[in-house]
Amino acid sequence: EDKVVQSPLSLVVHEGDTVTLNCSYEVTNFRSLLWYKQEKKAPTFLFMLTSSGIEKKSGRLSSILDKKELFSILNITATQTGDSAIYLCAVEFRDDKIIFGKGTRLHILP
Amino acid sequence: DVKVTQSSRYLVKRTGEKVFLECVQDMDHENMFWYRQDPGLGLRLIYFSYDVKMKEKGDIPEGYSVSREKKERFSLILESASTNQTSMYLCASSLGQGYRQPQHFGDGTRLSIL
Repeated sequence: EDKVVQSPLSLVVHEGDTVTLNCSYEVTNFRSLLWYKQEKKAPTFLFMLTSSGIEKKSGRLSSILDKKELFSILNITATQTGDSAIYLCAVEFRDDKIIFGKGTRLHILP
Repeated sequence: DVKVTQSSRYLVKRTGEKVFLECVQDMDHENMFWYRQDPGLGLRLIYFSYDVKMKEKGDIPEGYSVSREKKERFSLILESASTNQTSMYLCASSLGQGYRQPQHFGDGTRLSIL
C-alpha cells in the first residue's frame, strides 16, 4: 500500500530552537517529494525534491531527500513564532498520483 | 503568481442539499484537484482532472462528483450532502503531466453540513 508518514505529529519548541521534521514514504515509481507550509489558509509550496543528497535551502529552511532509505527531512534553524504552522509532506508517484502525509503541527513559543 | 480562487471561504448547508464548490485558476494549468482536509487524516484526494471534460477518481470519491467544462474551472458537487461531509475543502492546480511543477492551492472552503 502506498503511504506517506510524517513525524512527529506535533511539536512545541521555543523561539530560536532548531527543529527537524521527518517524512518517510513507500510508493511505486517515485517521482518527487514536496514540502508545504500551511498556516490558516492555503498550503504554500516550500520545496520539491527529486534527487538524493542534494540539499535545497531557502533562508532558515532546508530539506534533503534520501531515496535509498525513502525519507526526507525538513530543517528549520533559529525558529521564529511565524514558523508556527502545519508542515505537509507529499509524494508524487506513478502516473501523477500524489499522497499527502497527515502533517506535523509545529508551535513556536515566544 | 498563480492564483487559485475558491468561491466561498465558509459555507453552511443542510443534509440532503445539493452543494456546489467552485474553483478557478488563472494560469492555464492543465491539472486541477479537489481535496478534503480533516484533523488527524491530513489531505485526501477526492477527484482530479487532467484536461477539460476529463475526471478521475481520487482516494475518496464516494458522495462527490466533479465537473470541468472549462480549463480554468473545476467544480466539486455534493449530490446529497451528509453530515460526514463537513470538512475543509481545498482546490489545487498544477501545470500539467510531466512538468514536475508543484500544486498551488486555494484558500479552502470550510463546509458545514447541518
